[in-house]
Amino acid sequence: DAGITQSPRYKITETGRQVTLMCHQTWSHSYMFWYRQDLGHGLRLIYYSAAADITDKGEVPDGYVVSRSKTENFPLTLESATRSQTSVYFCASGENTEAFFGQGTRLTVV
Amino acid sequence: AQSVTQLDSQVPVFEEAPVELRCNYSSSVSVYLFWYVQYPNQGLQLLLKYLSGSTLVKGINGFEAEFNKSQTSFHLRKPSVHISDTAEYFCAVSERRAAGNKLTFGGGTRVLVKP
Repeated sequence: DAGITQSPRYKITETGRQVTLMCHQTWSHSYMFWYRQDLGHGLRLIYYSAAADITDKGEVPDGYVVSRSKTENFPLTLESATRSQTSVYFCASGENTEAFFGQGTRLTVV
Repeated sequence: AQSVTQLDSQVPVFEEAPVELRCNYSSSVSVYLFWYVQYPNQGLQLLLKYLSGSTLVKGINGFEAEFNKSQTSFHLRKPSVHISDTAEYFCAVSERRAAGNKLTFGGGTRVLVKP
């Protein structure tokens, strides 16, 4: 199906473990984004990518790593998960004036 | 850099009553403005956007918003709400001349429609 999909939808992990959240889009949008959603903060940009092999930091990048070897995929890795990274993570893709969001991944770090 | 303030974190409203969600922004450059809606356990869906032209923007589901440049506001309104409008609403801005569409979000407003 066309669209943007995130996996997994729910994940529980332990402090210190590495975890990767996946994001796949079928529109061939140039831009892809990762946001985290926390109560009272709305959504904050973690990383974004303008094209394959081009990534840049957003507002809250510490503790996260991204890659984009193919236009359609934009995985987000937490190298050593901390409790403060418990959040809902949204991937988005788009071109100039509109972004389309995935369903989100609810990550709990225990 | 931009910032967005949504003045109300929660708005209870009775069914068929009007609702207004307030949004103010701060930016040193020209911006595009957006309202997104998030239903429970779902992603964000675009309600409407202001890019240029008429300052009154109409969106989906009967919502509209008005851009006020002098007050740096972009308030969202609906004249008569339904139970199905219960959701969280986010105001967002992006820099007009920047490539791509990096969004800066407000903290969100939870709307609870009561029967």
